[in-house]
Amino acid sequence: DAGVIQSPRHEVTEMGQEVTLRCKPISGHDYLFWYRQTMMRGLELLIYFNNNVPIDDSGMPEDRFSAKMPNASFSTLKIQPSEPRDSAVYFCASSLEFQPQHFGDGTRLSIL
Amino acid sequence: GENVEQHPSTLSVQEGDSAVIKCTYSDSASNYFPWYKQELGKGSQLIIDIRSNVGEKKDQRIAVTLNKTAKHFSLHITETQPEDSAVYFCAARGGYSTLTFGKGTMLLVSP
Repeated sequence: DAGVIQSPRHEVTEMGQEVTLRCKPISGHDYLFWYRQTMMRGLELLIYFNNNVPIDDSGMPEDRFSAKMPNASFSTLKIQPSEPRDSAVYFCASSLEFQPQHFGDGTRLSIL
Repeated sequence: GENVEQHPSTLSVQEGDSAVIKCTYSDSASNYFPWYKQELGKGSQLIIDIRSNVGEKKDQRIAVTLNKTAKHFSLHITETQPEDSAVYFCAARGGYSTLTFGKGTMLLVSP
């Protein structure tokens, strides 16, 4: 049974470039979460979707960040333009309502 | 909103010893408390969880205790093994709200 799949696993790019992170949730899960993990701030929730609809994006740090979920099997997190302080590990997770969240292996993003 | 504090930030033990990680939460409405294990380069995996109608839950070498009055919960790992080395996160959730995570504890088990 495939878990949450994230791509790419690593991304290194120069500041100012657009970055797109991708996530495929577990089939049948109706909740999808995007997190950012840093040493200083730990795991922070950026945004979450229910049935492909964004429910709470209050964790999105700035307008440079945007997320979409065009269908039940795919979501993207975009950063445009990227800045060095965006360097972190970004995790996607999915779940059924009131059930535990299942995490992907993350995308390690480095902005030079 | 919810605030979750986790201690210690790092914990070193010898193989076979017990390890205890503690978390406190601020929102008395929180009713679900999972623990996740994150190995290097991997996503977090749920290892045990507890709901607010239960005071303790055990699964082999892992146990979680919850004190609702004091608003704290703890992870206990007995007979630690080197493969237990990882970062452990606690989290809290209330009602329809999302999980709020602690900042993590890096556990190192030395052979």
